[in-house]
Amino acid sequence: GAGVSQSPSNKVTEKGKDVELRCDPISGHTALYWYRQSLGQGLEFLIYFQGNSAPDKSGLPSDRFSAERTGGSVSTLTIQRTQQEDSAVYLCASSSQLNTEAFFGQGTRLTVV
Amino acid sequence: AQTVTQSQPEMSVQEAETVTLSCTYDTSESDYYLFWYKQPPSRQMILVIRQEAYKQQNATENRFSVNFQKAAKSFSLKISDSQLGDAAMYFCAYRSADAGGTSYGKLTFGQGTILTVHP
Repeated sequence: GAGVSQSPSNKVTEKGKDVELRCDPISGHTALYWYRQSLGQGLEFLIYFQGNSAPDKSGLPSDRFSAERTGGSVSTLTIQRTQQEDSAVYLCASSSQLNTEAFFGQGTRLTVV
Repeated sequence: AQTVTQSQPEMSVQEAETVTLSCTYDTSESDYYLFWYKQPPSRQMILVIRQEAYKQQNATENRFSVNFQKAAKSFSLKISDSQLGDAAMYFCAYRSADAGGTSYGKLTFGQGTILTVHP
């Protein structure tokens, strides 16, 4: 595709359920990032992948959060046993090299009820 | 760890006038990149301007320019001839370019500044 694609655009889930958020980066981009943005707030770094290197998971807020990147392309962010404080917009970004701009998807708005 | 601070939660400007958004950062690295991103209500993050730390010349992109003060670790954004379409949340961001550092490649954002443009 022409840009970073995230799905679903919106997700409403019940507290305690697991959710999976998907990110399709721009083809050929080796770096992929996940961020979380609470309402009206800044961007909180979650995790990033660079090629075949071990991902930087230092931003994951708890062990309920995990992410994978299969084949160096598509990434899935999984949140287990969702809590109300997990409600936020989850943004994915990718870049062709580490030192170039990151292109963002439109995000997934997660609401935990 | 690097930190980015935007001290202005909200700013406003009259259409056609100039506004400056502030950003400071903290790092021990010498090689890095700085960015300003714009996020309109659509949620789509858009790159406004980029500055390489090794370049002394301030970056400019049409009506957007930066004042990069490396020693002071300051990176402000000036928007000239403000337009209604400039209304958005603006984020300052830092990206490490130090291949030997533990934060290599990580993109760290400030808290954002909401810009309102009055007609």
